[in-house]
Amino acid sequence: SQTIHQWPATLVQPVGSPLSLECTVEGTSNPNLYWYRQAAGRGLQLLFYSVGIGQISSEVPQNLSASRPQDRQFILSSKKLLLSDSGFYLCAWSVNRENTEAFFGQGTRLTVV
Amino acid sequence: AQTVTQSQPEMSVQEAETVTLSCTYDTSESDYYLFWYKQPPSRQMILVIRQEAYKQQNATENRFSVNFQKAAKSFSLKISDSQLGDAAMYFCAYRPWRSNFGNEKLTFGTGTRLTIIP
Repeated sequence: SQTIHQWPATLVQPVGSPLSLECTVEGTSNPNLYWYRQAAGRGLQLLFYSVGIGQISSEVPQNLSASRPQDRQFILSSKKLLLSDSGFYLCAWSVNRENTEAFFGQGTRLTVV
Repeated sequence: AQTVTQSQPEMSVQEAETVTLSCTYDTSESDYYLFWYKQPPSRQMILVIRQEAYKQQNATENRFSVNFQKAAKSFSLKISDSQLGDAAMYFCAYRPWRSNFGNEKLTFGTGTRLTIIP
């Protein structure tokens, strides 16, 4: 069966420090991968998605970047965190065909101080 | 661009009663998917129910059912016999039919927080 791992679960970082959140998927190949952010009291905002290795699409301009160095690995990064980067980050994957939903990791609570 | 609107930030229901959560969406596509996700306090996103736009029959999953009105672009979730474990944030989501490269992404509404009153 497929599983998705996302870490760390919580993170407190000072303003201006770098960020690296990692997400890996097991049990499937060539998944679509997504990074979402959920701000307090708001819905989920799609940040990045990837349909293959090295293929990254950005949905909103921001202080973050994403990379997909391997088929089932998706990394969210920042060189210098801002206070506004605080939030709950969710990684998700879906199978690359029509009739499917997205499956989510357990999320990372990021607090920038 | 597709948008998803959930106009009820909060709802509450008595245990064992029925509650309906509203969702509307905007799209120019004729084929797509709609989903309801549940996010309990653990923050884990859990799929509740899925509807394919080409299907006229409303999807059901045990106590959960939807009222899909394609012409009105409405997709409400009905929870029957509400239980304490149903307390969560509920998100409506839209996904286009996979016809073009990279358009499989989900668009979410802002969510409805459901409280179950014992």
